Amino acid sequence: EAQVTQNPRYLITVTGKKLTVTCSQNMNHEYMSWYRQDPGLGLRQIYYSMNVEVTDKGDVPEGYKVSRKEKRNFPLILESPSPNQTSLYFCASSPPWGRYAIEQFFGPGTRLTVL
Amino acid sequence: AQTVTQSQPEMSVQEAETVTLSCTYDTSENNYYLFWYKQPPSRQMILVIRQEAYKQQNATENRFSVNFQKAAKSFSLKISDSQLGDTAMYFCAFMKPPTDSWGKLQFGAGTQVVVTP
Repeated sequence: EAQVTQNPRYLITVTGKKLTVTCSQNMNHEYMSWYRQDPGLGLRQIYYSMNVEVTDKGDVPEGYKVSRKEKRNFPLILESPSPNQTSLYFCASSPPWGRYAIEQFFGPGTRLTVL
Repeated sequence: AQTVTQSQPEMSVQEAETVTLSCTYDTSENNYYLFWYKQPPSRQMILVIRQEAYKQQNATENRFSVNFQKAAKSFSLKISDSQLGDTAMYFCAFMKPPTDSWGKLQFGAGTQVVVTP
């Protein structure tokens, strides 16, 4: 089944304890992205990747890191989590549409709570 | 920068009735893409419908249709014959065509739709 998977789905942690949220897609998509969802703000892009070893900042990159060593994986790293990073996180991937990526496929979401 | 505004935080509709969700956006681009995503209680993001700005015909997907008014920068979603399974948060989203970079989705704040028996 074609899908985007994220792990863990739920995580409660404490301030300053490094964590990684994994994202994997099995559709051979070149483009991958991370969003965070907060009430009243919708979803906002954190980082994106056009291909292996190619990443760039989105709208809210502070406090986050990413890497793209393999095409299928795009982990989100919080080196020193803070309570303002408590949020619902989504990974998304996209196939090319002609030369462009249009439709994005979303993972199931990761609910992160930082105490 | 593009902004997307959904002015209705919550809407309630009875089964079999019709509800219309509003969305306005601000952009200086001429060509772009607009989307409606549904997020049910499971939190999964589900693409409902997509509209290319260069197409004048409004997109339709079964009971879901849009009213795209390019000059007014308006992109409303109509849900006809509402069903209990339509209860969800609905997000309007904008994307300008990516050139040498990723096509970022710009989301509105969302409208919670509650369908009642």
